[in-house]
Amino acid sequence: GESVGLHLPTLSVQEGDNSIINCAYSNSASDYFIWYKQESGKGPQFIIDIRSNMDKRQGQRVTVLLNKTVKHLSLQIAATQPGDSAVYFCAEKGNSGYSTLTFGKGTMLLVSP
Amino acid sequence: EAGVTQFPSHSVIEKGQTVTLRCDPISGHDNLYWYRRVMGKEIKFLLHFVKESKQDESGMPNNRFLAERTGGTYSTLKVQPAELEDSGVYFCASSQVTALTGYTFGSGTRLTVV
Repeated sequence: GESVGLHLPTLSVQEGDNSIINCAYSNSASDYFIWYKQESGKGPQFIIDIRSNMDKRQGQRVTVLLNKTVKHLSLQIAATQPGDSAVYFCAEKGNSGYSTLTFGKGTMLLVSP
Repeated sequence: EAGVTQFPSHSVIEKGQTVTLRCDPISGHDNLYWYRRVMGKEIKFLLHFVKESKQDESGMPNNRFLAERTGGTYSTLKVQPAELEDSGVYFCASSQVTALTGYTFGSGTRLTVV
């Protein structure tokens, strides 16, 4: 299958640890942010989103933090599992209904049993 | 609800040949997007359709790429003639017009030009 993680920053963790994946976004006018997970041979899958009027949002085992001052986004995964191994992309979007997603470079997460 | 469907899932062609990729969006989604991920790099925007109209094609790399969306349903992306640097995974995504949400992506077409 595709080597989704080739040349990407890599985060290696042990099963059960908490993982933090960081992303710097580029457009201060972006209004909406999403984290996607991409496994080899699959398309990006939605994990969690956050709008610019929030600084934190929690899902099941995942939390997204947004710091608009420094244009930084992070994804925290609690109790990381081997099935979490994938490439994680942040994406930003403007507030126009027709604006498109701009993806970050991606981080490869490797979870060891 | 069926997801976004793309085919073929894989295509290997020789430099100079033509390839056509197809995307069937989620029914009722007026927005259809094409993105591309070159090996190991970020996912880059190519093109955005609203129904059958091209809303934004600023990401199309050159005139060897032609996208169509006849009748506002499925879309095709043709590469003619293909070059080595066109290799990568081509993703299609769709969304509803008024939703401030992310997109639903297909599984992609992995194109290899040899």
